[in-house]
Amino acid sequence: GAVVSQHPSWVICKSGTSVKIECRSLDFQATTMFWYRQFPKQSLMLMATSNEGSKATYEQGVEKDKFLINHASLTLSTLTVTSAHPEDSSFYICSARISGQVTGELFFGEGSRLTVL
Amino acid sequence: DAKTTQPNSMESNEEEPVHLPCNHSTISGTDYIHWYRQLPSQGPEYVIHGLTSNVNNRMASLAIAEDRKSSTLILHRATLRDAAVYYCILARSSNTGKLIFGQGTTLQVKP
Repeated sequence: GAVVSQHPSWVICKSGTSVKIECRSLDFQATTMFWYRQFPKQSLMLMATSNEGSKATYEQGVEKDKFLINHASLTLSTLTVTSAHPEDSSFYICSARISGQVTGELFFGEGSRLTVL
Repeated sequence: DAKTTQPNSMESNEEEPVHLPCNHSTISGTDYIHWYRQLPSQGPEYVIHGLTSNVNNRMASLAIAEDRKSSTLILHRATLRDAAVYYCILARSSNTGKLIFGQGTTLQVKP
């Protein structure tokens, strides 16, 4: 089956630094990828829709200057948490769908756990 | 986006069938019904999806009510590995296909 890989799986950083998380579709092309964050014992919250070759679409309440998304190729999207603070500590999950399949299965990465000290 | 309602938690015995309900009374004609599950500290895993007809795959079955206002995910023989949070989500074909997660149902499987 299709695989989505995230890197790093976990990262610890100091407050004020920026952290980049990569999301790759390993065996398929993804025009659109989605970024979620999840706090302990809560559900996933959609942050933004990442579109290859164009600007990401952010959900209401998500700061686009805080969470920079780049989708430069059909197999790679990156999320950069800028000037991270302890409240940004969370589990970040990306997902992707095979290009052209708007209603099909969504493939999820393993998640990246960010801890900001 | 149309909303879904699921019980917060359910319990099942190992090797018995499990029926996980989902209500989606405001579903529109173009909404697909998706089910995903998530184990702790992992990304969600696709289970099944459908539009109008019942669907079967190797993991589960999806029974969709005739009026489409509810659906049921059926695990035919629960195993301990099926213990997870199960999410029922509506995906609108006209909306980039994004999925908005609700709170889901936490399924406990007892040996």
